[in-house]
Amino acid sequence: KQEVTQIPAALSVPEGENLVLNCSFTDSAIYNLQWFRQDPGKGLTSLLLIQSSQREQTSGRLNASLDKSSGRSTLYIAASQPGDSATYLCAAHSLNDYKLSFGAGTTVTVRA
Amino acid sequence: DAGVTQSPTHLIKTRGQQVTLRCSPISGHKSVSWYQQVLGQGPQFIFQYYEKEERGRGNFPDRFSARQFPNYSSELNVNALLLGDSALYLCASSPSPGTAYEQYFGPGTRLTVT
Repeated sequence: KQEVTQIPAALSVPEGENLVLNCSFTDSAIYNLQWFRQDPGKGLTSLLLIQSSQREQTSGRLNASLDKSSGRSTLYIAASQPGDSATYLCAAHSLNDYKLSFGAGTTVTVRA
Repeated sequence: DAGVTQSPTHLIKTRGQQVTLRCSPISGHKSVSWYQQVLGQGPQFIFQYYEKEERGRGNFPDRFSARQFPNYSSELNVNALLLGDSALYLCASSPSPGTAYEQYFGPGTRLTVT
C-alpha cells in the first residue's frame, strides 16, 4: 500500500523567499507523481506532473524533482508571492493501481 | 474548453438521508474518479469509472455507489448518511484510466451532514 507523507504540515515565509516543499512515498513503483494546489474550500489545481522516467519538471517559477530510488519529490517555488499562499498536495500514481495516493498537504503562508 | 464541473456546489443533509452528487468530465475524457476529502486531510479514493464500467474501488462501505453514463458524466450516491460523511467530494477526469495521464479535478461538492 502506497503511503505519502508531506512535511512540514505548515510553512510561513516572507515574500520573496524561495519555498521548498517535500513529499515522500513508500513504494517506488510509480507511474508518475503529481503536485496540486488547493485554495481554502476549493478543488485541486494541477501544477506539475512528473513521469517516472523524468527527474524534474518545470513550469514558470515552479520546479519539481523526483527521486524514485529514495521515494522523494520536492517542489520548489522561486521568489514566493502572497498569491502563492495555499495548500500544496502531492499524489503518487502507483503501478497496477487506479488511484492517486495523496499526502495531507503543506499549507503555505507568504507574508507581504 | 470547460474544465471538470460538479453539482451542486454545497448541500446540507440530515443523518439517514440519501444524496446524489454529479460530475461532468472534460470533453473527450472517458475516465472519471471520485475522491472524498475530510478537512485537514488529503483526498481518499472512492471509485474510478471508465466506459461505464467500474475500474477501481477504494475502502468505502457499500453505502457509497456510483455510475457513469454514455456521455461519460458520473453520479456518486451515498445512502444512510452519517455525520462522518461530511466532506468535500472531488471528481477527477482523464482521457483514460492509463496512469500516464494527468488527472484534472473539479471544484468539488461540499457535503454537510447534520
